[in-house]
Amino acid sequence: AQSVTQPDIHITVSEGASLELRCNYSYGATPYLFWYVQSPGQGLQLLLKYFSGDTLVQGIKGFEAEFKRSQSSFNLRKPSVHWSDAAEYFCAVAPSGGYQKVTFGTGTKLQVIP
Amino acid sequence: ETGVTQTPRHLVMGMTNKKSLKCEQHLGHNAMYWYKQSAKKPLELMFVYSLEERVENNSVPSRFSPECPNSSHLFLHLHTLQPEDSALYLCASSQVGVHPEAFFGQGTRLTVV
Repeated sequence: AQSVTQPDIHITVSEGASLELRCNYSYGATPYLFWYVQSPGQGLQLLLKYFSGDTLVQGIKGFEAEFKRSQSSFNLRKPSVHWSDAAEYFCAVAPSGGYQKVTFGTGTKLQVIP
Repeated sequence: ETGVTQTPRHLVMGMTNKKSLKCEQHLGHNAMYWYKQSAKKPLELMFVYSLEERVENNSVPSRFSPECPNSSHLFLHLHTLQPEDSALYLCASSQVGVHPEAFFGQGTRLTVV
């Protein structure tokens, strides 16, 4: 069965600092990988996705993520965090093909301090 | 309208009430999903409809009853709920095999009293 681990429940960074959110997955083959962001009381917005090809993927809002097969990781990064990035971030994995039986991680809540 | 729209945004209901949550997608997708998001728990996939057929029912109690009358609309009918059913209910849609990423609505915050 597929699974996702986000080891950090909360992360606090200063505005302008760099950010890396960790995600490890477990899946038998190469999965589809996603990062979503959720602001309080809102739905989930897709930041970026990896299906195949280039292992460094660019997303919206200046985010990027790198797929590392050897480490079963898909960490999210941003070079300079803005106060508006404060939200909860979810890593997700789904099998390739078919409808999306997506498994989500437990989320990392990001706090940005001035 | 664009994207995935959920109504109502907030709902308070008693344990003996019957209510329905509505989801509408304007993306031309052919799969729709209900997720439950409770505090301090991972998102739980409840139901999946693909090409208007229910293909997943993840051990959800019968007090939750989904309905997908067409590829654009999804309902979640609620009856005799329990306080522990209070949560954010998220609807999502995707296009099977083409654009597999799911697009989410803003959710319905349900409180059972």
